Amino acid sequence: GENVEQHPSTLSVQEGDSAVIKCTYSDSASNYFPWYKQELGKRPQLIIDIRSNVGEKKDQRIAVTLNKTAKHFSLHITETQPEDSAVYFCAASSQAGTALIFGKGTTLSVSS
Amino acid sequence: GAVVSQHPSWVICKSGTSVKIECRSLDFQATTMFWYRQFPKQSLMLMATSNEGSKATYEQGVEKDKFLINHASLTLSTLTVTSAHPEDSSFYICSARDADRVGEQYFGPGTRLTVT
Repeated sequence: GENVEQHPSTLSVQEGDSAVIKCTYSDSASNYFPWYKQELGKRPQLIIDIRSNVGEKKDQRIAVTLNKTAKHFSLHITETQPEDSAVYFCAASSQAGTALIFGKGTTLSVSS
Repeated sequence: GAVVSQHPSWVICKSGTSVKIECRSLDFQATTMFWYRQFPKQSLMLMATSNEGSKATYEQGVEKDKFLINHASLTLSTLTVTSAHPEDSSFYICSARDADRVGEQYFGPGTRLTVT
């Protein structure tokens, strides 16, 4: 089955800096890669996703890149703000409707 | 659109009792729903995949007789934790897959279970 590795587990940046979180996956059949932001005690919130037919997607300060050959994808947050502080999870699944398999999460702390 | 609700949002029960958690897709039909468990400061771990009208598929290590899943309609899946123990205390989150949008899933708000 699918296995998703996520690094780093914690990330501390200064406000205005960029933050990068990286994930690798094992199942070459996976072709849907979402990123979630989760605040304590709440449900994961989808912040951006990418499908395997594209290599990059951007939404304002957030971007995701995908390298299918290397089986890794990354989340890039630019101009970080204190409200970006949260736990971020990457995930992977296939179009067959299988469940999302999550990475272990990255705790991002943005200090002002 | 694409709203998933869960009930209850939190529950406290005594050891040995059973607890039922409901997951509903409010504005779309979900032939497949998923149940996750999240311990403090850990990731979401898939417990089982729930398919409408058929038996759930459980992940390795998840006891199907302890975590009963019923997906009786296209908008409702239930998870019953039977004979609960303190180690079952966790955050249980369901998600539903929108058949019209490939891959994307929508999460319920979660249920905080505390077993005393």
